[in-house]
Amino acid sequence: DTGVSQDPRHKITKRGQNVTFRCDPISEHNRLYWYRQTLGQGPEFLTYFQNEAQLEKSRLLSDRFSAERPKGSFSTLEIQRTEQGDSAMYLCASSLIAGRGNEQFFGPGTRLTVL
Amino acid sequence: SQQGEEDPQALSIQEGENATMNCSYKTSINNLQWYRQNSGRGLVHLILIRSNEREKHSGRLRVTLDTSKKSSSLLITASRAADTASYFCATEISGGSYIPTFGRGTSLIVHP
Repeated sequence: DTGVSQDPRHKITKRGQNVTFRCDPISEHNRLYWYRQTLGQGPEFLTYFQNEAQLEKSRLLSDRFSAERPKGSFSTLEIQRTEQGDSAMYLCASSLIAGRGNEQFFGPGTRLTVL
Repeated sequence: SQQGEEDPQALSIQEGENATMNCSYKTSINNLQWYRQNSGRGLVHLILIRSNEREKHSGRLRVTLDTSKKSSSLLITASRAADTASYFCATEISGGSYIPTFGRGTSLIVHP
């Protein structure tokens, strides 16, 4: 399977703990996006990378959220000092910017539950 | 508020019927995309329509775009139970940085 993969698929943590999610994009894709989705809502953009450069991070929900893509391949999203309001589905998507528009390929998501 | 808003929020039809859902947006766009999300699964890209296009087809899907009204519609013909899903429109704003903004979606139920 050469699609976008995310790990873990589910994460249950206690309030105050740090969590880290991983996303492996489609190998030839140069853009990688992180979204958050809550029940009954569409995906909410958080941040994106082009290769290893993080081009937009102002929409990260707070300074507890950070993302990296150290070698322009996989990416991690970390949430420090988790709160119950962080419970949501975290989605990763990748795309290839090559003049065809920005069709994004989404991973299955990581469902976070903060107790 | 959301850039794109789908209408209706929920739609229930019988298998074989057509389903139409609409998306309205506020600012000029480069393109508009429709995605589908099945329960418990990830989002799947359905179709992209550029701002200079008015209509596109893909199988049983037909998308129209009216930039003067800032609206788009997605028509699914001869619906099947497997079409049951949430459908989202996502817009890329003109002059923006390829960040698509999603609406809240239309929940479609197709009864067998």
